[in-house]
Amino acid sequence: GQQVMQIPQYQHVQEGEDFTTYCNSSTTLSNIQWYKQRPGGHPVFLIQLVKSGEVKKQKRLTFQFGEAKKNSSLHITATQTTDVGTYFCAAFNNDMRFGAGTRLTVKP
Amino acid sequence: DTAVSQTPKYLVTQMGNDKSIKCEQNLGHDTMYWYKQDSKKFLKIMFSYNNKELIINETVPNRFSPKSPDKAHLNLHINSLELGDSAVYFCASSYQGGRQPQHFGDGTRLSIL
Repeated sequence: GQQVMQIPQYQHVQEGEDFTTYCNSSTTLSNIQWYKQRPGGHPVFLIQLVKSGEVKKQKRLTFQFGEAKKNSSLHITATQTTDVGTYFCAAFNNDMRFGAGTRLTVKP
Repeated sequence: DTAVSQTPKYLVTQMGNDKSIKCEQNLGHDTMYWYKQDSKKFLKIMFSYNNKELIINETVPNRFSPKSPDKAHLNLHINSLELGDSAVYFCASSYQGGRQPQHFGDGTRLSIL
């Protein structure tokens, strides 16, 4: 199956700092989804990107899909303690594959 | 109403036992999944069913057997449990075989003694 590489694996930030996680694929993707999993919880869908170069925003979160549809990023502006959790990308080509996740911790 | 519900929430059992985890979704989705999440948080897909038909069967030991009696249910039976089976198992569902967002259950935390 396709491989989806997600980096970094861990990110520790001070509250108020920005945070970015990246997903990369060697193949062109049909779409990419982003999920958030709070500690002790289950993955929750955040957004889906379908079009080349697409940018979507949800309050302090900005999601981008690369022009070649091989990479994506999630950027959080001015992190808050409520942003703590693991962020996963999930890429669809012939089937859906999850990245390894980026675990975000935020120091108040 | 819970959209994707799995039972039990916790499962503590001894090595060598056989156990089942049940999953039901009331979203009308046509595709259901089982994932295994280890202590490092890797989400590994195990199985996927679309309209009761198996469409993804990853390299998992044949001690794991999924069963889908109808498109709203996907159960997971595990024979001869081993220490390495300890993990959180998530059930999920979606429309259109994965092209649409997946909704996850709360997870079943399996601990092997």
